[in-house]
Amino acid sequence: KAGVTQTPRYLIKTRGQQVTLSCSPISGHRSVSWYQQTPGQGLQFLFEYFSETQRNKGNFPGRFSGRQFSNSRSEMNVSTLELGDSALYLCASSLAAGALAGELFFGEGSRLTVL
Amino acid sequence: ELKVEQNPLFLSMQEGKNYTIYCNYSTTSDRLYWYRQDPGKSLESLFVLLSNGAVKQEGRLMASLDTKARLSTLHITAAVHDLSATYFCAVDIGLTFGKGTHLIIQP
Repeated sequence: KAGVTQTPRYLIKTRGQQVTLSCSPISGHRSVSWYQQTPGQGLQFLFEYFSETQRNKGNFPGRFSGRQFSNSRSEMNVSTLELGDSALYLCASSLAAGALAGELFFGEGSRLTVL
Repeated sequence: ELKVEQNPLFLSMQEGKNYTIYCNYSTTSDRLYWYRQDPGKSLESLFVLLSNGAVKQEGRLMASLDTKARLSTLHITAAVHDLSATYFCAVDIGLTFGKGTHLIIQP
């Protein structure tokens, strides 16, 4: 059974650009959540999607957005990149969302470097 | 605002020893997760604890949850070098993570 797949794995952007990251959940999983990991702030929750609807959102500026498609695949977008957006972005999938989420399975992450 | 505190943040121990990592959280929650992360890698799920008094064991690791005390523990028994990693606890929906415990187990 394939795990959570994130693409691209590595990317380099410059300030002011925008970036789109993709996440394919485990087959049958309908919930996808996104996290940012940095050495300074640790792991922080970005948002959670279930059945194409955003169910929960962390405390990030509006430059961070996401969506989920009918096949449960999800994308997140960061516009007007800042140096501080350099991070490992992790996607996690689960069968359900919210209180029914159960176990979350994480992808390998997309490492973004902003120059 | 939910806060999750882990301690210790750094732990160096010898093989064969026992130790416990603590995870305290600030508001009521009935779900707690433990993850392991190796350098440069993603998060590996270790345990999901969903009720007060839950105890789960896998190999040399055992996790427990006391929702009344808002405390979870991850106990390591007879540590081996392969358990060297960073361990995170996470709480609630839209997980709030602790800062992680960087564990080094020396031969």
